[in-house]
Amino acid sequence: DAKTTQPPSMDCAEGRAANLPCNHSTISGNEYVYWYRQIHSQGPQYIIHGLKNNETNEMASLIITEDRKSSTLILPHATLRDTAVYYCIVRPLNTGGFKTIFGAGTRLFVKA
Amino acid sequence: ETGVTQTPRHLVMGMTNKKSLKCEQHLGHNAMYWYKQSAKKPLELMFVYSLEERVENNSVPSRFSPECPNSSHLFLHLHTLQPEDSALYLCASSRDRNPPDTQYFGPGTRLTVL
Repeated sequence: DAKTTQPPSMDCAEGRAANLPCNHSTISGNEYVYWYRQIHSQGPQYIIHGLKNNETNEMASLIITEDRKSSTLILPHATLRDTAVYYCIVRPLNTGGFKTIFGAGTRLFVKA
Repeated sequence: ETGVTQTPRHLVMGMTNKKSLKCEQHLGHNAMYWYKQSAKKPLELMFVYSLEERVENNSVPSRFSPECPNSSHLFLHLHTLQPEDSALYLCASSRDRNPPDTQYFGPGTRLTVL
């Protein structure tokens, strides 16, 4: 199974872009990259996912390198409410839910 | 609000008690999941149901017994738990169980076993 590596914590100033890196150097061609976040004592919240192309939605942008070995989640204008643990997950096709492996994630602190 | 609700939100039980956690999804999804999140540990997937049939069991002890009576409801029956089973138990649902499905999580049940 592909595993991900993320920095344990990051700081970001309110209003600035938060760029959260993820390394998935053993990713396979049929594996998607997902990002979730978990605000303290709540359930994880889906943010975005992608396979090869960069993706953008109302919450964030996902930049995947051409070799697919790493990706960056971008929160364009971080707010205090974006303080959370951010999980980068890779998940293969047709293998069911057990390949959804959450790591330790990155704890993002957004500061005023 | 994600469309996935869990009750109760908090539960304290003794090791000899029997209790059940309930999850309900209002999204029309076909797959439902139970996760366990212990303090300072990553989320652990426990069970997966697809179209009301258990499709995967991640070597969870038999003191945890899931039940999925229909596609909208999922239960986790608990009996003779241990203090180390104290954790946040999260339910999730998705349209189906394969990518690129997106899992929507409930708020969780904070369980304390005395």
